[in-house]
Order: sequence, then C-alpha cells, then structure tokens
Amino acid sequence: AQSVTQPDIHITVSEGASLELRCNYSYGATPYLFWYVQSPGQGLQLLLKYFSGDTLVQGIKGFEAEFKRSQSSFNLRKPSVHWSDAAEYFCAVGERGGADGLTFGKGTHLIIQP
Amino acid sequence: EAGVAQSPRYKIIEKRQSVAFWCNPISGHATLYWYQQILGQGPKLLIQFQNNGVVDDSQLPKDRFSAERLKGVDSTLKIQPAKLEDSAVYLCASSLERSVSYNEQFFGPGTRLTVL
Repeated sequence: AQSVTQPDIHITVSEGASLELRCNYSYGATPYLFWYVQSPGQGLQLLLKYFSGDTLVQGIKGFEAEFKRSQSSFNLRKPSVHWSDAAEYFCAVGERGGADGLTFGKGTHLIIQP
Repeated sequence: EAGVAQSPRYKIIEKRQSVAFWCNPISGHATLYWYQQILGQGPKLLIQFQNNGVVDDSQLPKDRFSAERLKGVDSTLKIQPAKLEDSAVYLCASSLERSVSYNEQFFGPGTRLTVL
C-alpha cells in the first residue's frame, strides 16, 4: 500500500526567507507525486506534479520540488516566501496508470513571520 | 470555467441523524471523487466514480455511508446514521477521465460537517 509522510506538522519561516517542506513516500513503483496547498476555507489547489523525466519540477507561485528516488522524497521549496504563502501544504501520491484517488500526507502548516 | 460546486458549505447535526452532501463537478468531467478530511489530517478517498459507475469504494464505511452519481453528473454523499467521528470536511473533486495519462483533479471548497 502506498503512503506519504510529512514529518513537519508546523513550520515557521520569516517573510523573505527560503522554505523547504519535506515529503517521503512509500510506493512499489515510480509514482505520480503532487503538492497541494489549502488556504483556510478554500479547496485544494495543485502547486506542481511529477510523473517522469526531469526530477526538478516547477510549479505555480514560484514553488519547485525535487524528486529523489534513492531517498523516496519529494521536497517542496521556495527561495523567498511571502506572507500570502501561509497555508496548509499537502504532499500526495497517486498510482501510475490513471487519475485514481490520491493518498495524502497529514500536511504541514506553514506560518510566516513578518 | 466554473469550478466544482458543493453544498451546503456547513452542516451541524446531532449524532444518529442523517445528512446529505451535494456535488456538481466541472462540466464534462467524467470522474468524480469524494474525500473525507478529518481535522489535522490529509484528505482520504472515500469513493471514486467514472461516469455513474463506481471505480473504488474500498474505504467507504458502507454500513453508514452511501453515494450515488445518477446520470453521470451530480453526486450525493449520505451518512445515516452519523457518528461523532464523522465530523470532518467532505471534499468533492473531479477530473476529465480515468485514463492512462493523468488528468488533474480539481477540488471543490468542501462541506464542513460537525456532529454533536
């Protein structure tokens, strides 16, 4: 069975500082990997996804993520955070071969300090 | 393009009562998902439809939860009777179709259920 671990429940970052959110997955083959953001009262929004090819993927809002097969990781990064980035971030894994239901991690709550 | 619509946005009920949630997917999207998101956790897939057929309902508590997607468009999720642990946000998502190439899932704003 596939699973996703997000080790950090909360992360606090100063505005303008860099950000890295960790994600580790468990899956037998090469998975589909995703990062979603959820702002209060809002639905989930897709930030970026990895299927194959270049292991560094670019997303919306200046985010990027790197797939490392050897570490089973898919960490999310941003060089300089803005106050509007404060939200809940979810890493998710999906099975190759179709748009089936995703398995999500428990999320990381990002707090931005002024 | 209109997004995934859900109603109601909030619902408060007593335990053992029944409740229903409604979802209208993006026009033309054949695949529809219901997820349950308990406070402090990530969403968990409850059921997935392709048109009006069920693809996966392995995590749906069938003794109390039911879902249908008549005519392959709108969907309703029902809980009867509700338990305290059903308090959660219920998210609906849709995608173009279930195929070998991935189609992005678009999520609605969710229905927040509180069971007292």
